[in-house]
Amino acid sequence: SQQGEEDPQALSIQEGENATMNCSYKTSINNLQWYRQNSGRGLVHLILIRSNEREKHSGRLRVTLDTSKKSSSLLITASRAADTASYFCATDGDDKIIFGKGTRLHILP
Amino acid sequence: DTGVSQDPRHKITKRGQNVTFRCDPISEHNRLYWYRQTLGQGPEFLTYFQNEAQLEKSRLLSDRFSAERPKGSFSTLEIQRTEQGDSAMYLCASSWSLADTQYFGPGTRLTVL
Repeated sequence: SQQGEEDPQALSIQEGENATMNCSYKTSINNLQWYRQNSGRGLVHLILIRSNEREKHSGRLRVTLDTSKKSSSLLITASRAADTASYFCATDGDDKIIFGKGTRLHILP
Repeated sequence: DTGVSQDPRHKITKRGQNVTFRCDPISEHNRLYWYRQTLGQGPEFLTYFQNEAQLEKSRLLSDRFSAERPKGSFSTLEIQRTEQGDSAMYLCASSWSLADTQYFGPGTRLTVL
């Protein structure tokens, strides 16, 4: 079963715009991670945010975590063509990492 | 390169054949995970090791699947009597612990004809 669920399933935006993806989960977590996957490739780790943190930044990425709502968001600012990929949230639960189905982001030129 | 490596990157096999995949984790990492990913889906957990001990197996892992991690280093995933439904990307990841970042390998894409 998949604990995290990303929203929207697919997103297309113009290059330069900001992209926001959301993740909802069901049970308590210790941390939540966001990953990127280019087509047919392995997963690249983006950010890990712990349950006692509310916001984290890394370059053009901003992640927020609201444990009361069991949700997280990933914001990519000033999007680029290279940001086209699938983005997954992953939560730790039952001693393992569980992934959602992902958001497919397409950056239009 | 000190990342996670997987071999082979691609495997095409006929239904009924056995296949074995290898994963070499980052050397200091205690935990090693196997996932399966099909098109349009997120990675699905299969099993994980803490050092050489296999601590959990998903119900997705039927009796035809077996994984080992001898001496707590590299790991192998074997699928016996492959079926067309086994066609997927098999991903390996490693980490220090559950609370730490998992680093993924490039995956092995299996096609069962």
